[in-house]
Amino acid sequence: KNEVEQSPQNLTAQEGEFITINCSYSVGISALHWLQQHPGGGIVSLFMLSSGKKKHGRLIATINIQEKHSSLHITASHPRDSAVYICAVSMEYGNKLVFGAGTILRVKS
Amino acid sequence: SQTIHQWPATLVQPVGSPLSLECTVEGTSNPNLYWYRQAAGRGLQLLFYSVGIGQISSEVPQNLSASRPQDRQFILSSKKLLLSDSGFYLCAWSEDRGHTIYFGEGSWLTVV
Repeated sequence: KNEVEQSPQNLTAQEGEFITINCSYSVGISALHWLQQHPGGGIVSLFMLSSGKKKHGRLIATINIQEKHSSLHITASHPRDSAVYICAVSMEYGNKLVFGAGTILRVKS
Repeated sequence: SQTIHQWPATLVQPVGSPLSLECTVEGTSNPNLYWYRQAAGRGLQLLFYSVGIGQISSEVPQNLSASRPQDRQFILSSKKLLLSDSGFYLCAWSEDRGHTIYFGEGSWLTVV
């Protein structure tokens, strides 16, 4: 079993829909990251959080430390949101990041 | 502000040839540095990380090596490439564990 599990693996949505991507982990962490990878391969960090909730524009990330679960929400989705969204956790001990397999999101107009 | 650069962006190399991918970070000191590989259709895999000059930790046994000759320089190398080394390689840095991680632009390596 992978230490970080994401769901769904693939997601197709219509423009304007509310989108949720889930991430569950089984290890002790110091932080959780949500990353966005565009078709060209470049990766940007969307959020880093260790508790509660963060919001940036139409993106919202939440984490429940007790349940070892995080969600990434996209409100009013747009075709430009199409990308791979990756959940990663910073291990509680050491300097490792462990990645989920990613969620391929396609938003159709 | 901090920036990270890696090069080359794309590389086509024959089997058995050497490899050198370079990554530099600007605007910070003593960063944690990472090399990741993403094989086609798969997630990111940590190859090496470094918490300081000359300090390299390897996560998986492989045909690759890493070096950190300067504080903000991280190099990924191979003496003889294998077909299985093909993939997308990403350099990244963070201030410390639990901090935001920043990725380079990535390098597409095709071994033929």
